[in-house]
Order: sequence, then structure tokens, then C-alpha cells
Amino acid sequence: GDSVTQMEGPVTLSEEAFLTINCTYTATGYPSLFWYVQYPGEGLQLLLKATKADDKGSNKGFEATYRKETTSFHLEKGSVQVSDSAVYFCALRLAGNNRKLIWGLGTSLAVNP
Amino acid sequence: EAGVAQSPRYKIIEKRQSVAFWCNPISGHATLYWYQQILGQGPKLLIQFQNNGVVDDSQLPKDRFSAERLKGVDSTLKIQPAKLEDSAVYLCASSLDSQAYEQYFGPGTRLTVT
Repeated sequence: GDSVTQMEGPVTLSEEAFLTINCTYTATGYPSLFWYVQYPGEGLQLLLKATKADDKGSNKGFEATYRKETTSFHLEKGSVQVSDSAVYFCALRLAGNNRKLIWGLGTSLAVNP
Repeated sequence: EAGVAQSPRYKIIEKRQSVAFWCNPISGHATLYWYQQILGQGPKLLIQFQNNGVVDDSQLPKDRFSAERLKGVDSTLKIQPAKLEDSAVYLCASSLDSQAYEQYFGPGTRLTVT
């Protein structure tokens, strides 16, 4: 069935380090792909999205490219800050009438000063 | 623009008791979602409303969970009776309509069942 797999956490980095959080998916058709972020004590927020193959989503210095050939949507940031400490969720939404979001388990990121 | 509001933020109850959660979506958003997020997992969709009609409730445990959105605006989710495994964060989200890409989430209600 349709699913999202993301790398397990927690991920701990020093400030200004390079971040990659891997996300791969299994889906029929051509899904849309999302990264959501959950800061401590807050609700989930959409970080970025890509709706078709080779699209690059970007926001707040984060980027992810929709790679259909590898069914991946890895999240990257060149230089993380302490304020990026949060839980990051990869999700997909199927095309067609059923537009339910299918979520990964989340990856916790802690950035130390 | 006000975000999605939820109350209460925290609730502790004993098993077999009942509990209700309230959600007020962003003004003008036709679609409302209730999710259950168990610690260490991604959100699981419980029910989706389009205005005051149910679009998807396939994962709602209907023997104990119920939800309504009577006037197509705010919504309540009820659990009766609660079980230990219902301990989770209950998230409400809304979107302009069911085709919109972005869902806007509230802060959630953390339920602990003892």
C-alpha cells in the first residue's frame, strides 16, 4: 500500500552543520509530497511542498526535490540553527479523489549551539 | 488571521470516562480534519468533514469515537468510553477545501488516559 518512510531520529547536530533527513515513498500514480515541521509546543506547519516530479520545494533555507526515479523527497539545509530544533514529518497525498495525507513517523532534530 | 483553535490543551481522565475536544477552524475553511497522533508516530486521520458532511471516517473507531460539525464551522470530537490506548495528541486541521494543498493545524489536545 501507499506509505512514507523517513530516517529515524533523533538527529543531533551542531549549529551551522549540514542537514539531510531522508524520505522515500511508495505510492501509485503521481502523489504530491510535503514536509511539515512541528516546533516544541506548537501545531504542525507546512514547511514546503512539491507537486510533480523534479519540482524543488524551498522555504526558510530548507529544500527538497521530488525525485520520481528514486521515489524520494529528502529534506536538506545547508546551515542549521538552534531554532530549527523540531520534529520534521514527510507526507504524501495521492492524486485523484482520495486526497488524504499519508504521513511518515517523524524525525526529531536537535541543534546544539 | 487567526489560526485553528483547539481546547482544552491538556486533559487527564480515567479509563471508561468520556471526554470531548473542541476545534474552531480558520474562518472560511470548508474542510476540517481530526487526527490522532500517538507518541513517536505520524498523525492518523480519524475523520474529514467538508462543510458539515463527512467525507472520510474510515479510521474512526465508531464504537467509541464520534464527531460532529453541525453548522459547518466548529467541531467536537468525543470519546466514550476512553481506553488506555486512546492516550495521544488529538490534532484538528482545516483547509480552504478538500483540494487545497495546505492544511493548517491547531496546537492539539494532549489526552492522557489512566
